[in-house]
Amino acid sequence: GAVVSQHPSWVICKSGTSVKIECRSLDFQATTMFWYRQFPKQSLMLMATSNEGSKATYEQGVEKDKFLINHASLTLSTLTVTSAHPEDSSFYICSASPGSGGEQYFGPGTRLTVT
Amino acid sequence: AQKVTQAQTEISVVEKEDVTLDCVYETRDTTYYLFWYKQPPSGELVFLIRRNSFDEQNEISGRYSWNFQKSTSSFNFTITASQVVDSAVYFCALSATSYGKLTFGQGTILTVHP
Repeated sequence: GAVVSQHPSWVICKSGTSVKIECRSLDFQATTMFWYRQFPKQSLMLMATSNEGSKATYEQGVEKDKFLINHASLTLSTLTVTSAHPEDSSFYICSASPGSGGEQYFGPGTRLTVT
Repeated sequence: AQKVTQAQTEISVVEKEDVTLDCVYETRDTTYYLFWYKQPPSGELVFLIRRNSFDEQNEISGRYSWNFQKSTSSFNFTITASQVVDSAVYFCALSATSYGKLTFGQGTILTVHP
């Protein structure tokens, strides 16, 4: 089956620093990747959609200068949280899709804690 | 705009009871896909089912069954003879395609007591 990995699985960083989260499709080429955020006891909210080689499309209310998304290859997308603050602490989940005719596969998530 | 509503925030049952999780959706698309996911305490989403808008047949998979009714815009999920391992958060989700961005419901926390 299709496998999507995320690294790291959890990270603790200090306020004001930046942290990068990687999302990889291990056994298929992902033309599209999605980044979701989930606050404790809440639902998943889409942050942005990234297509390989293109700029990401951000959902309304998501600061694109704060959450930098790069989808440089068909198997890797990265989310960089810049100048992180405690309110950015959340569970970040990526998903990947091979595109039309395929399905969407989720990564295991990355738990970010900003102190 | 798409919207998914899971009216039940939390459900608590005793093992072996049947339980139904409700899901109501809104969309203007004529073609769309509905999903159910399970999220155990580990956080990783577990895919349970995908159903497209043209297929209204009910689905059964072991103790799990799904009832899709376009007339009421509902896609309910029933667990028969619940088990402690079924305890998790369950999300209903909607997408315009099988591979596109998902709109999730608020989730239902299911607790199955021994």
